[in-house]
Amino acid sequence: KAGVTQTPRYLIKTRGQQVTLSCSPISGHRSVSWYQQTPGQGLQFLFEYFSETQRNKGNFPGRFSGRQFSNSRSEMNVSTLELGDSALYLCASSLEPLSSTDTQYFGPGTRLTVL
Amino acid sequence: QKEVEQDPGPLSVPEGAIVSLNCTYSNSAFQYFMWYRQYSRKGPELLMYTYSSGNKEDGRFTAQVDKSSKYISLFIRDSQPSDSATYLCAMKAGTYKYIFGTGTRLKVLA
Repeated sequence: KAGVTQTPRYLIKTRGQQVTLSCSPISGHRSVSWYQQTPGQGLQFLFEYFSETQRNKGNFPGRFSGRQFSNSRSEMNVSTLELGDSALYLCASSLEPLSSTDTQYFGPGTRLTVL
Repeated sequence: QKEVEQDPGPLSVPEGAIVSLNCTYSNSAFQYFMWYRQYSRKGPELLMYTYSSGNKEDGRFTAQVDKSSKYISLFIRDSQPSDSATYLCAMKAGTYKYIFGTGTRLKVLA
């Protein structure tokens, strides 16, 4: 069974631009979560989607948004990029929502560099 | 104070050594405890998943949870250079929220 895939793997953008990242979950998984990973803050939860609905959201500004499609694929958008948005963005999928006892599996991440 | 504390390392050990990785936490509501391994430029990979207190063994890996002390450990026996990675602890209560440690960098020297 194929794992979680994320595209693109690397991105370089400049301040003020916007970016869209894509995540394809493991087949059959309906929950997709997004995380930001930085050396100083570690892994921080951005939001979770389940059956096309955002269920939970972390403490990030409104510039960070996402959506999920009927095939469970998810996209994350960051508008008006700032230097501090440079990070590894990780997507994780699970069969059931994060509120369940189910475990989540991570993709390889998209490394975003903002210049 | 962070909800989960983890020593960032790096921790360097010779090949074949027993490695002990630890996390402490402050929220007594945490019930589910996980260890992830993350190689450079890769996403975290789930190693161990435990519920409540006790030990769980899987091959060379043993996860230990002590809820009374709010302390979890991952032991790696007969460590190999291929175990060199960053190890992240994670935990959650019955809610959606996973709380991750910042990770410990491990180097196993051949």
